[in-house]
Parts: sequence; structure tokens; C-alpha cells
Amino acid sequence: GPKVLQIPSHQIIDMGQMVTLNCDPVSNHLYFYWYKQILGQQMEFLVNFYNGKVMEKSKLFKDQFSVERPDGSYFTLKIQPTALEDSAVYFCASSLEGSDYTFGSGTRLLVI
Amino acid sequence: QQQVRQSPQSLTVWEGETAILNCSYEDSTFDYFPWYWQFPRESPALLIAIRPVSNKKEDGRFTIFFNKREKKLSLHITDSQPGDSATYFCAASGPGNTGKLIFGLGTTLQVQP
Repeated sequence: GPKVLQIPSHQIIDMGQMVTLNCDPVSNHLYFYWYKQILGQQMEFLVNFYNGKVMEKSKLFKDQFSVERPDGSYFTLKIQPTALEDSAVYFCASSLEGSDYTFGSGTRLLVI
Repeated sequence: QQQVRQSPQSLTVWEGETAILNCSYEDSTFDYFPWYWQFPRESPALLIAIRPVSNKKEDGRFTIFFNKREKKLSLHITDSQPGDSATYFCAASGPGNTGKLIFGLGTTLQVQP
């Protein structure tokens, strides 16, 4: 079936540096999401994005986080600066109508 | 406060048995309840979903039973197979079409051959 691609699959970064996580959503999908999953725990909503705008964000979506999708390219999550507690797997998802998600395979971020 | 709760945290059944995974929620405005399964080091994938207009949704060996009054639902996996071993997440979303999903903590199912 259609896939959501996430690049990179793994990233190790020094605390304080900037990181950009890239997501290539399903081509005809309109809603885009980022979720954060710490090892062995639930996935937690970070942000959703529709029609070029953030629709809703959680308290986990700190001021250091930003998202964009310039000109229909990658949907990106940028963290600047990174902190140790940002270490997690970040899942991108997309959906056509705001219900059934297709998840990407995740980016495993380690901040050291 | 957990808006979506799942129990048990882990469950082991023998091949061929029925596994029952439970889920409850707080917000009565939630109107969409998907179940996702996740295999180790893979992304979650949609398994089956239900809306409150129904109290049952069946797809092969997987059935959701939904009790709106008690704000509870359960996923029954009949004739469990070792390949069903995974973590199952119950999720919920509310009206507004933003699609934001609230996930439970998951139930890790192990099916022993």
C-alpha cells in the first residue's frame, strides 16, 4: 500500500545542535502529524498540520520545535536547540480525511 | 491523566485461544476508535476501527466490541496465531476532523505456539 517515508531512520546529535526530521507523506494525503514515542511507551501527539498551517499542538511541542511543508515537499520537524529529553522515536503520519493514518517507519533520535 | 486506558499491560495466550484486550476512555465526545498494532522496531499500522454508531465491528479474526454507555471497548482476537504477537494500541479521536489521536499505553500480546 502507499507509504510514508521518513529520513533519516536514525540520527545521533549533540545536545544543543539543530536537527531536522524529514517526512514524505502519501501523495494525496492532506493531513500530516508528528508523534513522539519513548522506548516501550505510548505514542504521544505533538502536532498536526493541514493546508499549510499548524492546526493543533500539544504541550510536548515546545518552543524549540517547528514544522513546515514548503511547496508540497517534505513535511519537516525541526528541533533547535535539541535537549537530552528529545531522545525518542519520532513518527510521521498522514491521512486523507483526518482519520485513518498511515505511519512512517520512524526516526530514532538520540541526543547526547 | 490518561484519557485512554488499556489493560492488561501484557497478555500471553496459547495459539488458538481468544485474546481479549481492553480499552476505556474519558472523553464522551470521542467518536472514532482505531486499534493499531506495532511489531518491534516497526511503525504502528491500522488494524481495525469503530465509530460509536456501531457496537461491534468485525474483520476476520479481529472484533471490536463497543459499550458507549460505559465508555469501554475491547478487541477480541480469535484463534490467536504466533504472528499476532505485537503491541496493540487503542486510540481515540474527537469531532473536528483534525485527526488528532490519543493513544493508550498499549497491550503487549504474546501468542505461544
